[in-house]
Amino acid sequence: EAQVTQNPRYLITVTGKKLTVTCSQNMNHEYMSWYRQDPGLGLRQIYYSMNVEVTDKGDVPEGYKVSRKEKRNFPLILESPSPNQTSLYFCASSLSVGTDQPQHFGDGTRLSIL
Amino acid sequence: GDSVTQMEGPVTLSEEAFLTINCTYTATGYPSLFWYVQYPGEGLQLLLKATKADDKGSNKGFEATYRKETTSFHLEKGSVQVSDSAVYFCALKLRGAQKLVFGQGTRLTINP
Repeated sequence: EAQVTQNPRYLITVTGKKLTVTCSQNMNHEYMSWYRQDPGLGLRQIYYSMNVEVTDKGDVPEGYKVSRKEKRNFPLILESPSPNQTSLYFCASSLSVGTDQPQHFGDGTRLSIL
Repeated sequence: GDSVTQMEGPVTLSEEAFLTINCTYTATGYPSLFWYVQYPGEGLQLLLKATKADDKGSNKGFEATYRKETTSFHLEKGSVQVSDSAVYFCALKLRGAQKLVFGQGTRLTINP
């Protein structure tokens, strides 16, 4: 089954404790992206990757890191999480960046930073 | 900058009612337009799309028409069901751009 898999689904942690949210897709997609979803703001892009070893900042990259060492994986790293990073996070992938290429989303990771 | 504005939610309707969720956009170029749906506890799923003016996207009884003159892409369904309860997001994507630009989402609840 074609899917985007995120782990963990839920995490409660404390300020400053490094964490990684994993994202994996099995569709051989070139493009992957991370979004955060906050009430009243919709989804905002954090980072994206056009292909292996190619990453770039989205609209809200501060406090986050990413890497793309393999085509299927695109982990999101919070080196020193803070409470303002409490949010619902989504990983997405698409075949390419063509205008009408649909993006496939994971089920989300709810992070709470205390 | 590019942006999407959706009607304020939440929206509550009775089963079999007619649904409209308004969406308007501002874009520097010529975007493709999308509606995504998010069911409770799940990620976003593409509901329908339109890539040029006057195109009509449709899926699962939902429809939306790309109106360039009014920069709108309103979502409609003639008879909603309880299973349509979800959050609906309107989004745009410019040619060559790297991201989707989302509206704030509209929560829809359908009562039996």
